[in-house]
Amino acid sequence: DTAVSQTPKYLVTQMGNDKSIKCEQNLGHDTMYWYKQDSKKFLKIMFSYNNKELIINETVPNRFSPKSPDKAHLNLHINSLELGDSAVYFCASSQAGGGMNTGELFFGEGSRLTVL
Amino acid sequence: QQPVQSPQAVILREGEDAVINCSSSKALYSVHWYRQKHGEAPVFLMILLKGGEQKGHEKISASFNEKKQQSSLYLTASQLSYSGTYFCGTRNYGNKLVFGAGTILRVKS
Repeated sequence: DTAVSQTPKYLVTQMGNDKSIKCEQNLGHDTMYWYKQDSKKFLKIMFSYNNKELIINETVPNRFSPKSPDKAHLNLHINSLELGDSAVYFCASSQAGGGMNTGELFFGEGSRLTVL
Repeated sequence: QQPVQSPQAVILREGEDAVINCSSSKALYSVHWYRQKHGEAPVFLMILLKGGEQKGHEKISASFNEKKQQSSLYLTASQLSYSGTYFCGTRNYGNKLVFGAGTILRVKS
């Protein structure tokens, strides 16, 4: 059983299209994240949800909209795709403890988005 | 605030040692270390919490100097399987884990 699974693994699309990436974790974790990894391998946090509540919302274009229907799922919808959105998007989850989230991140396999 | 990692890249022969450094301009609660192999997801290596501890994981260990806001990852007697990009991630007093730019490690036979 995959702990954190993302679909699709690959997305190739034209500029201006809208696309979604889905993520599910079966670890029972409270917190889920979206990270973007660009061509220079820089891992940048985009969003984080804790028990369906948005707790981290970085400076990301509002074309990106996360949604968490329940604590095991976190989806990412991207409107009006641009060339610069091409990247690998990683979903991750972790477990908070003792009032401070010190938990390790478990990453999904990544979704490689290519915008033409 | 993104932590600063050094060096950017290092090439080793099998059996050699390496140190990767991570420093932050902000007070830290914890430091994480991850390794990412090409085409794969980052994988957790270890976490160090405020308290200046040192941890070990096989021949990979790390230290955390809370006062200097620095952490170092030590790889001893490197193996081919150690090749990859190493990321430190830092948390101050919040939920956000911010990663450094990564250190590319290549171990040659």
